[in-house]
Amino acid sequence: AQSVTQLDSQVPVFEEAPVELRCNYSSSVSVYLFWYVQYPNQGLQLLLKYLSGSTLVKGINGFEAEFNKSQTSFHLRKPSVHISDTAEYFCAVSDSDYKLSFGAGTTVTVRA
Amino acid sequence: ETGVTQTPRHLVMGMTNKKSLKCEQHLGHNAMYWYKQSAKKPLELMFVYSLEERVENNSVPSRFSPECPNSSHLFLHLHTLQPEDSALYLCASSQRTSGSTDTQYFGPGTRLTVL
Repeated sequence: AQSVTQLDSQVPVFEEAPVELRCNYSSSVSVYLFWYVQYPNQGLQLLLKYLSGSTLVKGINGFEAEFNKSQTSFHLRKPSVHISDTAEYFCAVSDSDYKLSFGAGTTVTVRA
Repeated sequence: ETGVTQTPRHLVMGMTNKKSLKCEQHLGHNAMYWYKQSAKKPLELMFVYSLEERVENNSVPSRFSPECPNSSHLFLHLHTLQPEDSALYLCASSQRTSGSTDTQYFGPGTRLTVL
């Protein structure tokens, strides 16, 4: 069974500053990794996913994440955030059919 | 309507009430999911339906009863709930290909409060 740890529950950041959200997972088998975003009063939306190939994955809205197998990490980054990036971000891992295991989420608050 | 819709968006019910949550997907997907989202806790997978057949029941109490009459609709019937069942209930759908690599598309959720 896999588990996902998001190391920061809240990340305040100023507009146009970079942000990194940390995610570590534990699994004994090969995994597929996802980042989802949840804007206020909305459902989750896929930002990006790693299935195979290049360890640097680019997603929507200028986000990217890097898969590091040796450190079992999949950290999410954005070089310059906007007010509209204020949301909750969830890391998730899948190693079996249709099951996603989610982290507890990281709340990003972007301030002007 | 596009994507995944859920009704109602908000629901307040007493512990003796019976209510139902509805989810509809307009994406032509063949798998649907119910999740429970509680504050500061990971999303909990409750039920999975694939081609209208339940393939996962994640040790959910019997006071939650799912129904999937067709590939576009999913219901969650609620009966004699407890206050700790108050949460955001999210529905999702996916096109099942390889399963573990599928992207799930989420609805906006139903905010349930049990008094």
